[in-house]
Amino acid sequence: ILNVEQSPQSLHVQEGDSTNFTCSFPSSNFYALHWYRWETAKSPEALFVMTLNGDEKKKGRISATLNTKEGYSYLYIKGSQPEDSATYLCASTSGTYKYIFGTGTRLKVLA
Amino acid sequence: DTGVSQNPRHKITKRGQNVTFRCDPISEHNRLYWYRQTLGQGPEFLTYFQNEAQLEKSRLLSDRFSAERPKGSFSTLEIQRTEQGDSAMYLCASSLVRSGAGELFFGEGSRLTVL
Repeated sequence: ILNVEQSPQSLHVQEGDSTNFTCSFPSSNFYALHWYRWETAKSPEALFVMTLNGDEKKKGRISATLNTKEGYSYLYIKGSQPEDSATYLCASTSGTYKYIFGTGTRLKVLA
Repeated sequence: DTGVSQNPRHKITKRGQNVTFRCDPISEHNRLYWYRQTLGQGPEFLTYFQNEAQLEKSRLLSDRFSAERPKGSFSTLEIQRTEQGDSAMYLCASSLVRSGAGELFFGEGSRLTVL
């Protein structure tokens, strides 16, 4: 994998459903993986910064895991709410501090 | 407000004109980044600074693009002889890096429309 890839590109879920997204990144020379939430008309906000293989982080109903050996990270949202509707971006850096972003997953939570 | 500030928020210009965007990072943040985002794509790296030094510039960036960060504080991104393909959201972000890859703090972006 030369680029950072995210899937799915977009999804719609019903309020209360749990969902998850995938971020794939180059595993060689890995340094850190970031997740950001980007709501419409606002600026992207950091959710998690992860560096170690096996890292698991949690913030409220949102959690993330990291596998640096195989080059992927999962973001989970438990019990989705309409306010979770946003684009979720992941970004990988190899240590030069240049962050490469994926194309994002656009989540719409239907009330 | 101590967040990242970008100006102008919106800019409409005619093809061939020059435009300049300004970014004021969070005070004392030593790293500053410029990204470009077009519809359906993630933020695309343009360049970044550590203090006043421009450490890396994307090879995708043509010579029409230039960025500066005098005195290591605010930064400007100038696009000369704009083309319709330059229409995009230009995002600025800053971070404080002592060790490790710190999170990025983004501004709300400057949206450019080239007619």
